[in-house]
Formats: sequence, structure tokens, C-alpha cells
Amino acid sequence: GAVVSQHPSWVICKSGTSVKIECRSLDFQATTMFWYRQFPKQSLMLMATSNEGSKATYEQGVEKDKFLINHASLTLSTLTVTSAHPEDSSFYICSASSPARQGRGLGVQYFGPGTRLTVL
Amino acid sequence: AQKITQTQPGMFVQEKEAVTLDCTYDTSDQSYGLFWYKQPSSGEMIFLIYQGSYDEQNATEGRYSLNFQKARKSANLVISASQLGDSAMYFCAMREGSTGANNLFFGTGTRLTVIP
Repeated sequence: GAVVSQHPSWVICKSGTSVKIECRSLDFQATTMFWYRQFPKQSLMLMATSNEGSKATYEQGVEKDKFLINHASLTLSTLTVTSAHPEDSSFYICSASSPARQGRGLGVQYFGPGTRLTVL
Repeated sequence: AQKITQTQPGMFVQEKEAVTLDCTYDTSDQSYGLFWYKQPSSGEMIFLIYQGSYDEQNATEGRYSLNFQKARKSANLVISASQLGDSAMYFCAMREGSTGANNLFFGTGTRLTVIP
């Protein structure tokens, strides 16, 4: 299957600082990437859809000024958690949608390994 | 209404036995895709199998098969010959439409435990 990397895999920061998480599709170009958040023992919650060269589309209830998304190229999307607070501590995971007919299926979403953010 | 429903919070299976994880979905779209992902304790979401709404044959990938019953709107995952490494959370997901630009709707997941 396709490979998506995410960096860093974990980060601990102080309250009030900003944290940037990178998501890269390593072997295919992804015009669309997605950012999810997952709380312990829960399912994935879609935060935003990131399209290359345009503004991200945020889900209801997600603060776009707090969670800045930049999809600068066809292989890289970044999520910046600005002025992080303890309630932002969570597991953040990105996915990239493969081009049609690549891999197994049409536009399969491949996920990065996730980033565990802990805000003290 | 929930787009994806997984009614089994937890399942146990004996090693080398087969197990079925249930998934039902709700959509009014004619074109959609159904996915199963595995999430081990490391947290990574691993793509397992895909079924398109227009696919007439049930999808298979090695030990994984998807039992697609369109009229019942169900897309159960069957794992044959379970292995200890299959112990993980399993999520069923659906994408409406045929473009990869559409997001996935996830179920609440089923935790599978394989017993030696």
C-alpha cells in the first residue's frame, strides 16, 4: 500500500506554545489530505479537509484560527496547533487520498502513523 | 442518524478460527465506498480492504474478505485463520460519492482479541 509519514510521532509542549505537525505522502501525489483527532478509546473525528493550493475546509466546531492547516504541495500538509492548551492534548492523525486506481481501490485513504500531543 | 454502525464493542476469537466483524451503513448515495481499517496499539491506521458500491463481487485481500450485502446495507469483515497479531481495533468506514476528495465516516470500532 501507499506510504504516508507524519512527524513528529510525539511531542510534549508547554501551554501557550504552538506545535506544527507534518504529513507527507511519500510515493504518490495527494491533492486531498485529511486531519483527524482521536481521543482515547474513541473513533476518529474529522477535523478538516486539506486541498492543495486552497483553503482547508473545517468541520463544524473546529476552530480554524487555532488549528491552522497549510497544504503547500501535493505531498505535504501541515497542521499547526496554535497557543496549545491541555485540552488540545490528543492523538492527531492525517491521511492522504491516493489517486484513482492506485493501490487497492478508488481513492483509498492511507493514514500516517499519528502524532501524540501532550500539552502541560 | 449514524452513517456507520458497529454494534460489537469487543470480540474474542480463538487463534486459527474465523471471525466476523459487523458493520452496517446508511446512505442515500448510489455511489459509495466501504473500507475497513485496523488500528493496533501503536495507533497507526492500516488499510485492509475496500468495496465499491457497484462492485458485484465481494472484495478479498488475503485472509480478509468483505461480506457485502447491499440490500441490507451491511459490509461485514471476515478474518479467516485468526492470528495473535490480529488483536487490534477494527474500524469500518464509508465514503460517499466516487471521488477520493470526500471524507470518510467512521464507526465506533470493534476491539478484537485473539486468544491463543
